Amino acid sequence: ELKVEQNPLFLSMQEGKNYTIYCNYSTTSDRLYWYRQDPGKSLESLFVLLSNGAVKQEGRLMASLDTKARLSTLHITAAVHDLSATYFCAVDTDSNYQLIWGAGTKLIIKP
Amino acid sequence: EPEVTQTPSHQVTQMGQEVILRCVPISNHLYFYWYRQILGQKVEFLVSFYNNEISEKSEIFDDQFSVERPDGSNFTLKIRSTKLEDSAMYFCASSLNAYNEQFFGPGTRLTVL
Repeated sequence: ELKVEQNPLFLSMQEGKNYTIYCNYSTTSDRLYWYRQDPGKSLESLFVLLSNGAVKQEGRLMASLDTKARLSTLHITAAVHDLSATYFCAVDTDSNYQLIWGAGTKLIIKP
Repeated sequence: EPEVTQTPSHQVTQMGQEVILRCVPISNHLYFYWYRQILGQKVEFLVSFYNNEISEKSEIFDDQFSVERPDGSNFTLKIRSTKLEDSAMYFCASSLNAYNEQFFGPGTRLTVL
């Protein structure tokens, strides 16, 4: 059974600080997705990582994928309040199309 | 920019009643999905649909659930006899192909009383 684990599940940080969210998964996959969810809202696609070593950056967020370690990271640089949200990673596999989701990391950034 | 739309945004129903949740996927997408998210919890896969048939379904998607693409644009999820534990946010998603980025609709909040 494919499992996806995120940590931390909750993160409160000050503006201007850096931090990393980790996403581990239990089976072989070359595809990992990061989504953002604001309270009561839908899931917004942030990054699609499709190969080992993939690195993508958008503003203060950078995501990377290490398929050998089965690990993806979402790094936040110089956090700002607008980045407060819940961040989910999700994985699919060659044998199915469904996304298997991590539990989410609730990020609160204090001014 | 094309987007997935869902109606209604909020549905309140009595236990045992049937509900139909509606979705309009992005027009050139071929794969369609339903997920649900119980408040404050993780997102759970329900079903995927391609070429007018179910391609995968989860254990949650039992005989009480069904999906349909009644015309060229709508994709529906029916729950035949709702239970209290069906209360959740239901998200529809679509993707251009398999293993592509999935785009999510705004969700339907289902409340079963």
